Amino acid sequence: GAGVSQSPSNKVTEKGKDVELRCDPISGHTALYWYRQRLGQGLEFLIYFQGNSAPDKSGLPSDRFSAERTGESVSTLTIQRTQQEDSAVYLCASSLGQGGNQPQHFGDGTRLSIL
Amino acid sequence: AQSVAQPEDQVNVAEGNPLTVKCTYSVSGNPYLFWYVQYPNRGLQFLLKYITGDNLVKGSYGFEAEFNKSQTSFHLKKPSALVSDSALYFCAVSPVGAGNMLTFGGGTRLMVKP
Repeated sequence: GAGVSQSPSNKVTEKGKDVELRCDPISGHTALYWYRQRLGQGLEFLIYFQGNSAPDKSGLPSDRFSAERTGESVSTLTIQRTQQEDSAVYLCASSLGQGGNQPQHFGDGTRLSIL
Repeated sequence: AQSVAQPEDQVNVAEGNPLTVKCTYSVSGNPYLFWYVQYPNRGLQFLLKYITGDNLVKGSYGFEAEFNKSQTSFHLKKPSALVSDSALYFCAVSPVGAGNMLTFGGGTRLMVKP
């Protein structure tokens, strides 16, 4: 597809379970970002991958959150031992190159609900 | 650290009237500035960006934004609003030379009434 693809689109799970969210960026985009959007709020930056450089993890809220990306392809965001406050929409974006002037292109997100 | 303020949680405008969605920013050095729109249950869509040059930037769907360095503002405007413009709008800033990191404002909900 032409856009950023995220799966699943919705995920409902019980407190304490682990979840894995997937992002497939636009082909050729070297930069990939994960954000969290709580209900009615703006975007919180979580983590940023640029090519083969070490990721910027400065936005991850706790050590229960981790993310991986192989090369310039798919990324997975993992949340271990989920808590109710993890309920949110998790958005992935990708962009060309490393310049800050490149717009980010977003997927439709994964809506995560923790029961 | 950079920051973005969108002072209005919601803007209401009648269809056919001009609209303005306000954004001010704080950043060290020169900024790259962006506007995104979010429709229900969708991700953010890029509308327009200011990189350098002309202070008036034109983007998608008839939107434009004016960069004002002295007022550190980047207000989004459209001469004639459509009901279909109703959505959530986000302003974002990235400092020049700081890589791709974007800082987003809290969003403004635009309601266009027939």
